[in-house]
Amino acid sequence: AQTVTQSQPEMSVQEAETVTLSCTYDTSESNYYLFWYKQPPSRQMILVIRQEAYKQQNATENRFSVNFQKAAKSFSLKISDSQLGDTAMYFCAFMIGSGGSNYKLTFGKGTLLTVNP
Amino acid sequence: DAGVIQSPRHEVTEMGQEVTLRCKPISGHNSLFWYRQTMMRGLELLIYFNNNVPIDDSGMPEDRFSAKMPNASFSTLKIQPSEPRDSAVYFCASSPWTGEKLFFGSGTQLSVL
Repeated sequence: AQTVTQSQPEMSVQEAETVTLSCTYDTSESNYYLFWYKQPPSRQMILVIRQEAYKQQNATENRFSVNFQKAAKSFSLKISDSQLGDTAMYFCAFMIGSGGSNYKLTFGKGTLLTVNP
Repeated sequence: DAGVIQSPRHEVTEMGQEVTLRCKPISGHNSLFWYRQTMMRGLELLIYFNNNVPIDDSGMPEDRFSAKMPNASFSTLKIQPSEPRDSAVYFCASSPWTGEKLFFGSGTQLSVL
């Protein structure tokens, strides 16, 4: 079974600064996908960024980037130039990419990020 | 596209009553997922369908829970009878294919008194 661990229940950062959220996972699979989802107070789950395990290049989406270390099974999220609207719960998630039917998304427990003015 | 549509947004019911949650996935998406979110357990996958067929229901907590997907544009999650410990936010999500991101609905906040 796959597990996803987020060791930081809560973090805070000052507006305009940079913050990194940690995520580790455990799997015996070689083909998989990793995601970061954001859940603001509105409750909506919003995809922040996606990484294919077979790609060595780290994914980036505007101010959001990841540091994917496959050997260490680590997948951290870096948020640059933090904005007040980034305040949310952030979930790391894992999906097997076998191409068959077993591609459910497994989530970590989340990190509550607060951006302070 | 309107996105994944869930109803109701909030549901308050009494213990022992039947509860039905509804979901309309994004048109053209082949897979549909039901998740439950609680403070204690986080986000848990209850069941998912691929092309309207249930693939994995190992996350369904007990026989009181059942889910159906009669066609590609509609799914229900039913709890009968409901219990206070079922109180949670229930999310429906859909995705177009394997490895693609999941698109989530706004969730149903269920409170069982």
